[in-house]
Amino acid sequence: NAGVTQTPKFRVLKTGQSMTLLCAQDMNHEYMYWYRQDPGMGLRLIHYSVGEGTTAKGEVPDGYNVSRLKKQNFLLGLESAAPSQTSVYFCASSFRRENTGELFFGEGSRLTVL
Amino acid sequence: GQQVMQIPQYQHVQEGEDFTTYCNSSTTLSNIQWYKQRPGGHPVFLIQLVKSGEVKKQKRLTFQFGEAKKNSSLHITATQTTDVGTYFCAGRDYGQNFVFGPGTRLSVLP
Repeated sequence: NAGVTQTPKFRVLKTGQSMTLLCAQDMNHEYMYWYRQDPGMGLRLIHYSVGEGTTAKGEVPDGYNVSRLKKQNFLLGLESAAPSQTSVYFCASSFRRENTGELFFGEGSRLTVL
Repeated sequence: GQQVMQIPQYQHVQEGEDFTTYCNSSTTLSNIQWYKQRPGGHPVFLIQLVKSGEVKKQKRLTFQFGEAKKNSSLHITATQTTDVGTYFCAGRDYGQNFVFGPGTRLSVLP
């Protein structure tokens, strides 16, 4: 039982390049989330999904796109990376949101944009 | 929009001392969660509080939810080096996703 797995764990991009972060969970969770973590700012929600085929914007969605084609996978894309997107990205999943299920986080993906 | 604040930002304690971090929301919350993140690690769920005035304990950790459901606290009794990390509260507004506070970083000197 791997829980929430993120790939890659580290990536360096040049400004303007694109990339995709993959999140996979094996807990059959309905809800999945992408957060970014910057020093002193906690975790900010980028996009989230309440089920396969659905996505919604969070607090800081600009510059990112997501897709949830399969229930177990949630992809975060950067079409044209900017230095402001240098951050640590965490994927999380939860069993149910209405009853405020706990969030299970992946180990994080550290992205540097030069 | 909803804002969640935490104080202090940093706390250095001697091993064996107590530690408290406070979480305040700009809006009334339906519930609040607490997470711990070890250095270099990922956030790990500690607890969830739902009821006004609720108090929950986990060994040396005591969690409280304010009567007005706008604030919360985490108190650690007799800190140990294993308590080192950043503690985040995450408040959920009614019908919204959780909003995380900026965290309190705890260091424990042996």
